[in-house]
Amino acid sequence: TQLLEQSPQFLSIQEGENLTVYCNSSSVFSSLQWYRQEPGEGPVLLVTVVTGGEVKKLKRLTFQFGDARKDSSLHITAAQPGDTGLYLCAGRNEKLTFGTGTRLTIIP
Amino acid sequence: ETGVTQTPRHLVMGMTNKKSLKCEQHLGHNAMYWYKQSAKKPLELMFVYSLEERVENNSVPSRFSPECPNSSHLFLHLHTLQPEDSALYLCASSQDWRGGSYNEQFFGPGTRLTVL
Repeated sequence: TQLLEQSPQFLSIQEGENLTVYCNSSSVFSSLQWYRQEPGEGPVLLVTVVTGGEVKKLKRLTFQFGDARKDSSLHITAAQPGDTGLYLCAGRNEKLTFGTGTRLTIIP
Repeated sequence: ETGVTQTPRHLVMGMTNKKSLKCEQHLGHNAMYWYKQSAKKPLELMFVYSLEERVENNSVPSRFSPECPNSSHLFLHLHTLQPEDSALYLCASSQDWRGGSYNEQFFGPGTRLTVL
């Protein structure tokens, strides 16, 4: 069984602060995706990383895939209330395995 | 309608009821999925259909019965559920079932199910 543990499970910070959430596994994945889920909606894909060590930026969000392709991080700079949501990582081999999720709340 | 739609958005049912969840995708995708999302567990894959053929059934109890009449529609038939089955049920679709690294799953908004 391939497990993806995300930390922290819950995070509540003030608008304007920076934060990092982590996605860790003992399994190697061919790629890793990050999704964001807002209340009342399904998850929406933010990014896919494929190469070990790869870094991708999406405006204020920076995603990194670990060198060994077992872990990933998401860093948000100057968080805004619109960043509030459940962040899910998902590792892909033959199947897509979702992580445990980080519920992020940005306080105005 | 665009993307992936699900009906109903909310459902309350007793343990002896029979109900069905409906999912429709307007993306021309070949694969469709049912997931269960509950508060204390990661997103759990229940069933996968590829070109209307069930290709994965992740040890889901028989009280959940999927149906895929065509590549655009997916149903989840429910009967004699238990209170612990209360959860958000998400439908998703993707271009292909296995696909490559960039294979993206598009999710519907989910059906919030409460079993009394």
